[in-house]
Order: sequence, then C-alpha cells, then structure tokens
Amino acid sequence: KQEVTQIPAALSVPEGENLVLNCSFTDSAIYNLQWFRQDPGKGLTSLLLIQSSQREQTSGRLNASLDKSSGRSTLYIAASQPGDSATYLCAVETTDSWGKFQFGAGTQVVVTP
Amino acid sequence: SAVISQKPSRDICQRGTSLTIQCQVDSQVTMMFWYRQQPGQSLTLIATANQGSEATYESGFVIDKFPISRPNLTFSTLTVSNMSPEDSSIYLCSAFLAGVVNIQYFGAGTRLSVL
Repeated sequence: KQEVTQIPAALSVPEGENLVLNCSFTDSAIYNLQWFRQDPGKGLTSLLLIQSSQREQTSGRLNASLDKSSGRSTLYIAASQPGDSATYLCAVETTDSWGKFQFGAGTQVVVTP
Repeated sequence: SAVISQKPSRDICQRGTSLTIQCQVDSQVTMMFWYRQQPGQSLTLIATANQGSEATYESGFVIDKFPISRPNLTFSTLTVSNMSPEDSSIYLCSAFLAGVVNIQYFGAGTRLSVL
C-alpha cells in the first residue's frame, strides 16, 4: 500500500525567505503527484500536478520536482509572503489505484511579516 | 477545469441523527469521490461514487454508515448515518477529470460537528 509522508509537519519562516516542503512515497509506480493548498476551514486548491514522466512543474513562484526512483517530491515556494500561510498537502495517484489519491498528512506553513 | 459546490458548508448535529451532504459539479466528470478529514489529520478516501450503481467503499467504511448516491454524472450525495461524536470531521467531495492529465478537484468541504 502506498504510504505518503510529508516533512516537516510545520514550518515558520519570515517573509521573503524561500520555502522547501518535502514529500516522500513508498511505491514508485505512480501516475501523478499533485500538490494542494488548504486554508483553514476551506477545501483544497490544486497548485501543481506532475505527471510520472515529468521531473518538474513551475507556476509563478512555485516549483515542484519529482524523483520517482527515490520516491520524493519537493515543493519550492520562492520569496514567501504572509498569504502563503496554509497547509500544503501532497497526494499521489498510483498505477494500481487509478483516480484515487493517497494523501500525506501535510505541512503547516506560517509566514510572518 | 471543474467547479464543485458542496452543501451544507457546516452543520452541528445531535448524536444518533443522520446528515446528507450534497455535491454538484459544473461539468461532466469521470469519477467522483468522498473523503473524510478528521481533526488534525490528512484526507482519507471513503468511497468512489459510481453513477447509477452502488458506491465502492474503502477498507474501514461501509454502506450502512455512509450511503452514497450518484444519480447522474454531475451530482452525488453522502449520508453520515447514526452519527456519533467520532464522526465529527470535514467531509470533502472531489471530482476527477480523466484526460491527458488526470486532475482532481475538490469542493470546499462540509464541517460536521456531532454533539
């Protein structure tokens, strides 16, 4: 069974610093890996999706990398802002569970002004 | 893309009662799912809502406790039956668009508190 782990569980940085969030997974047979953002009391917002054939995806200040062989993905957020404060979730879709995503526990990020 | 409307957004219920949560998607999607997020934890898949047939439940979840309907491609309901305080969670509906890239979209969730 796919296990998804996110480290650290919580992170606090001053505004302007770069954020590095880590996600690891145990089964490298994946279709996709998707990063989400969750704000308190709200649903999930999709940030980036990396297909299994890709090594990275970029959107604005966000960059996500994928290393299937080592079972890792990293989300980089450049020049953090207080508005980046949220919980970031990593989710993996494996080849034997098409359409179903296994989620990590998330990294809670606080960016202080 | 897809926009998912989920209601109610929150509710406070008494032990032993049932609550039905509705999920409406603005486009025809391949698959719909229901997740639970218990306090301080990540998302756990409850079941896949199948159009016109019984839902497919994950280990640990049963139809008697979480009956699900999906009468068409864009609408689904989840009922939390005979509730107890342990059912207090956020329940999220998601829709899966299959294509060149498989992207999953989420509703805003229903925050349920059981007294």
